[in-house]
Amino acid sequence: ILNVEQSPQSLHVQEGDSTNFTCSFPSSNFYALHWYRWETAKSPEALFVMTLNGDEKKKGRISATLNTKEGYSYLYIKGSQPEDSATYLCAFRSAGNKLTFGGGTRVLVKP
Amino acid sequence: DAGVIQSPRHEVTEMGQEVTLRCKPISGHDYLFWYRQTMMRGLELLIYFNNNVPIDDSGMPEDRFSAKMPNASFSTLKIQPSEPRDSAVYFCASSYQASYNSPLHFGNGTRLTVT
Repeated sequence: ILNVEQSPQSLHVQEGDSTNFTCSFPSSNFYALHWYRWETAKSPEALFVMTLNGDEKKKGRISATLNTKEGYSYLYIKGSQPEDSATYLCAFRSAGNKLTFGGGTRVLVKP
Repeated sequence: DAGVIQSPRHEVTEMGQEVTLRCKPISGHDYLFWYRQTMMRGLELLIYFNNNVPIDDSGMPEDRFSAKMPNASFSTLKIQPSEPRDSAVYFCASSYQASYNSPLHFGNGTRLTVT
């Protein structure tokens, strides 16, 4: 069983503040690390797919970094807005294209 | 493209009944995944297919669960007989794996309630 852990499980952020959270995954047999954004009553939508150690991706105010040697990725939200409230999922891609998800970090941005 | 299409959106059934969930992946995608989402376990991978062939079904809970992909545009997940603990949201997702950079595209899910 692949261990993909996300922390914290949930966090509250004041509107305008920046925040970040972690995904940890096995450092061996790595193919890719995915980040998804999952709004209530919708289905998960892809944010980033990262494959190389040291990768940094950015989409608007959201960015992510990747360290495959130590097995972690950070997701950053700069200047949080209420519309950023969602659950953020990471998924570890291993051999055979198997994708294992973490438990998610639920972000609530307070106006 | 219409995206990944799942049906039904909601299913309520009684314990012991057979339940069939359906999925139409995005045209041209060669991987199809079935996930189950519960409060306790998050998104669990049940089974996935590549070019209609099951690759890994180690996540299928028990023999009551079965999945098929008879062609590139259709897959089913069947539970027979269903039990209350099967109540969850079941997601289907597809992807195109010509490169390592392809994300999953999820359907809207089927919310199953077994009473």
